[in-house]
Amino acid sequence: QKEVEQNSGPLSVPEGAIASLNCTYSDRGSQSFFWYRQYSGKSPELIMSIYSNGDKEDGRFTAQLNKASQYVSLLIRDSQPSDSATYLCAVNSDNQGGKLIFGQGTELSVKP
Amino acid sequence: GAVVSQHPSRVICKSGTSVKIECRSLDFQATTMFWYRQFPKQSLMLMATSNEGSKATYEQGVEKDKFLINHASLTLSTLTVTSAHPEDSSFYICSANLDNSYEQYFGPGTRLTVT
Repeated sequence: QKEVEQNSGPLSVPEGAIASLNCTYSDRGSQSFFWYRQYSGKSPELIMSIYSNGDKEDGRFTAQLNKASQYVSLLIRDSQPSDSATYLCAVNSDNQGGKLIFGQGTELSVKP
Repeated sequence: GAVVSQHPSRVICKSGTSVKIECRSLDFQATTMFWYRQFPKQSLMLMATSNEGSKATYEQGVEKDKFLINHASLTLSTLTVTSAHPEDSSFYICSANLDNSYEQYFGPGTRLTVT
């Protein structure tokens, strides 16, 4: 069983819509959760971090965490073509030290 | 803040030669840095954790004698791919986290092509 799972996509949404990206993790001891955006041919860029249950909003991005369900999601409101990228979910557990466990990533395509 | 640089951004080398990649934290000190490899259309694969002043910790299946890591200062880690072969061609990315934080900041990556 993969430790961090994401649908690989591609997820296609029209411009202006809400894109919803989902991630599940297997380690109940996980404490820190991150979303990275990776454009084709580029390195990942940190866009959101979340540590406690509930929602965390930053501009058009909202991260949602539910530790009981071992589920973390990223919502992108008013999606733009420039949001087209692969979104990586990453999880850290206390017993991993500083290591992050990455999901396979979800490819998002925002159509004009 | 939290800027990480890598050099070179691209390198082409002949099979059997060695290549060194540098990773620098520009505006913070990094006790720990991480080295990843990414093949086309695949996710990041952690190769090793680089610890300042001590030996690197390698992930299972990564040959420590082939991928030499040195973390001699709080702002610099190097990865040397020794006796490179075409199958080592990949995108190598380093990252670092701020002390007391698990947020990792990535360098821009180095694209290695072995001919």
